[in-house]
Amino acid sequence: KAGVTQTPRYLIKTRGQQVTLSCSPISGHRSVSWYQQTPGQGLQFLFEYFSETQRNKGNFPGRFSGRQFSNSRSEMNVSTLELGDSALYLCASSPGLAGGLSYEQYFGPGTRLTVT
Amino acid sequence: SQQGEEDPQALSIQEGENATMNCSYKTSINNLQWYRQNSGRGLVHLILIRSNEREKHSGRLRVTLDTSKKSSSLLITASRAADTASYFCATELTGANNLFFGTGTRLTVIP
Repeated sequence: KAGVTQTPRYLIKTRGQQVTLSCSPISGHRSVSWYQQTPGQGLQFLFEYFSETQRNKGNFPGRFSGRQFSNSRSEMNVSTLELGDSALYLCASSPGLAGGLSYEQYFGPGTRLTVT
Repeated sequence: SQQGEEDPQALSIQEGENATMNCSYKTSINNLQWYRQNSGRGLVHLILIRSNEREKHSGRLRVTLDTSKKSSSLLITASRAADTASYFCATELTGANNLFFGTGTRLTVIP
């Protein structure tokens, strides 16, 4: 099976702009989670989608949003970019059976976002 | 914070030696998972241990879980230069559908 893919791999944006990142999960996986990784804050959970519904959300401002399509592909959007949004954004998929997430997550290579 | 704390933050050993990393967390968990990350890339899953398990093995990896102390350890035996990476513990909390990651341990294995 192909792994989790994320596009683009690298992105440079200017403060105030918006950005959309894409994630294609492993075939058959219905749960997609997004994480932000920075040197200062480490790995932080953004949100998780299962069957097109957001099941859980981390402690991030409303500028961060996401969605999931019927084929389980997911996108996250960050509006009005700030310098502090510079980070590695990681997407992870898992089978995500109803009732919990008690499975390992498979991570994509990440999108490196730089805000100038 | 619900994140786990790992120690040591950094560990440097000779090839062939064993490496032990520890993780502590604060609340009840469904399971605890260990991941490896090579130099700013995606994370690779290593082991998942459920709250009712005490020890698990996978190849050269051994993970223990002590829910009474809210702690876990990862042991890598007979380390190799290719084991050089950052190692993270992650907890899935009771009632939550996401992972909380620890601060990570940076392991360097010297050939």
